[in-house]
Amino acid sequence: GAGVSQTPSNKVTEKGKYVELRCDPISGHTALYWYRQSLGQGPEFLIYFQGTGAADDSGLPNDRFFAVRPEGSVSTLKIQRTERGDSAVYLCASSPGTSGRVETQYFGPGTRLLVL
Amino acid sequence: SQQGEEDPQALSIQEGENATMNCSYKTSINNLQWYRQNSGRGLVHLILIRSNEREKHSGRLRVTLDTSKKSSSLLITASRAADTASYFCATVLYQAGTALIFGKGTTLSVSS
Repeated sequence: GAGVSQTPSNKVTEKGKYVELRCDPISGHTALYWYRQSLGQGPEFLIYFQGTGAADDSGLPNDRFFAVRPEGSVSTLKIQRTERGDSAVYLCASSPGTSGRVETQYFGPGTRLLVL
Repeated sequence: SQQGEEDPQALSIQEGENATMNCSYKTSINNLQWYRQNSGRGLVHLILIRSNEREKHSGRLRVTLDTSKKSSSLLITASRAADTASYFCATVLYQAGTALIFGKGTTLSVSS
């Protein structure tokens, strides 16, 4: 079956603009994660959804970042008033959501965001 | 914040040699996972080891876990040029959510 997909693959925007990044998880996966990866670093957790609700948003850096998953499948990460420091690769991952902590997360190819 | 730290940061070997990467972490874990990331591509899951396990194998991969030392190692045997990638360990904390906490990774270069 299809893996996790993310759109767009690349996004260039100007400082202060608003951007939306989309994630399509593996069909049937109830758990969905957003991570951010800066150059030369490992991914950093942003937010976790179980179904439609954000079960853990402790990784969101500030209130400019927001994510939704209204129907429990597709998720959108929204960044307001973008800053140059937001430039990174934004990764989405999904997992079945049935085995708690002991689950493999399947990652998408990421969206490379560049804020000029 | 990052809980794991891989060592070495970079490793260069010849095809056919074995590659060993180490990971240390700070806080008690539920499980530890290793991922591979090729240049320009997403992360691929390699292996998951639970906190009550000491060793797991998958093909040419061998992972060990020592919870007393809070460390893990990934051994790739008979390496191939296609193994060239960055390797990350990621932990899921004990009784604290399901998010993966990644280290900075080891960059492995295998030359033919």
